[in-house]
Amino acid sequence: DFQMTQSPSSLSASVGDRVTITCRTSHDIRNDLGWFQQRPGKAPKRLIYAASSLQSGVPSRFSGSGSGTEFTLTISSLQPEDSAIYYCLQYNNFPHTFGQGTELEIK
Amino acid sequence: EVQLVESGGGLVQPGGSLRLSCAASGFTVSNYWMHWVRQAPGKGLVWVARFSSDRYTITYADSVKGRFTISRDDAKNTLYLQMNSLKDEDTAMYYCAGGLSVAGAAWGQGTLVTVSS
Repeated sequence: DFQMTQSPSSLSASVGDRVTITCRTSHDIRNDLGWFQQRPGKAPKRLIYAASSLQSGVPSRFSGSGSGTEFTLTISSLQPEDSAIYYCLQYNNFPHTFGQGTELEIK
Repeated sequence: EVQLVESGGGLVQPGGSLRLSCAASGFTVSNYWMHWVRQAPGKGLVWVARFSSDRYTITYADSVKGRFTISRDDAKNTLYLQMNSLKDEDTAMYYCAGGLSVAGAAWGQGTLVTVSS
């Protein structure tokens, strides 16, 4: 069975900090992974596609990396508006699978 | 401006049916793989179904297979989700999304489905 693990489940960081969120998969998914941000009461917003391509209009402090089975989302300098839940999504195989989510709190 | 607007949600009894619609503007649904994704209250995102751009491939999550049907009307530029035999656990916000793997992705604002007696 295909497994995807996102970590950490939550984290707390200060404005200006560098933050990293990781998704690991049990099978090679090449670069078929995206990252989404969801603020409370809002629809998800895509930040990254194809593991490292920045969605148009998304601030450059967001970046994605990785391929195969390990992927990371990095926020280089945390801003207050980055408080949200972040999800990874693999679309290499079916069923497509979201990570469990990472709740990011700004101290 | 790219917009996907979902509609058709509401309160339905267990065993009932609903049809969700996702109307697109500034975005041609037939050019992309289109998806439905749902989110139960306070829970994470779950992929539900996919309709391929060439119309030949339709895929469902095991939890909805045999009960839900995804379809597309190219003339109306609209995606649908027919939901039958609804269960309590189908209660969720339902989002449509397109082009998840490419640059021109779109995601709607969601429509709430509540299954309750």
